[in-house]
Amino acid sequence: EVQLVESGGDLVQPGGSLRLSCAASGFTFSSYTMNWVRQAPGKGLEWVSYISSPSDTIYYADSVKGRFTVSRDNAKNSLYLQMSSLRDEDTAVYYCVTQQLGFDSWGQGTLVTVSS
Amino acid sequence: QSVLTQPPSASGTPGQRVTISCSGSNSNIGSNYVYWYQQLPGTAPKLLIYRNNQRPSGVPDRFSGSKSGTSASLAISGLRSEDEADYYCAAWDDSLSGWVFGGGTKLTVL
Repeated sequence: EVQLVESGGDLVQPGGSLRLSCAASGFTFSSYTMNWVRQAPGKGLEWVSYISSPSDTIYYADSVKGRFTVSRDNAKNSLYLQMSSLRDEDTAVYYCVTQQLGFDSWGQGTLVTVSS
Repeated sequence: QSVLTQPPSASGTPGQRVTISCSGSNSNIGSNYVYWYQQLPGTAPKLLIYRNNQRPSGVPDRFSGSKSGTSASLAISGLRSEDEADYYCAAWDDSLSGWVFGGGTKLTVL
């Protein structure tokens, strides 16, 4: 069974940094493209970042480009999102998501709150 | 402002057929597949339809998707109370080099 467990969410001040992690199990992590998708409280879904299985193709939403960095460690079955220069509008639940047919499997999400 | 446009709400009575529209442009729906996701209250989204009209294993055939030009739609037939959820369309956008979502449609079963 596919399991994705996000961690690292926290309350952080504007301008601060945070690193999210996603631990994957139950599937061959190294073969899957992965994404981060976020959802602000009471709002819709927003795609954040894409990383291919060998990490040779990476994309970011314009809203986070230059501030967020996605990476993965296939040996550790882990996906990461390094977030810096955080803004109020980055407050959201961040989901780690596999991509195969579509966004197939989602974690439970980790809450990032940016506030002074 | 979402790149893909969905109605904010839809409703129907049990047993009815409802459709949810999703409008985009040539750079997203017009040239790429459309995907639909269902988000039940308090849970993570779930893939409902992929590649315009394909259902993943386990998704009832009451759910169907279609696409024409730069628009797509999700149809739910034989509406059930457990279908009450938020529904999102998504597509890859060639101009943005990223995934784009619709703003979501809250479906109420009356």
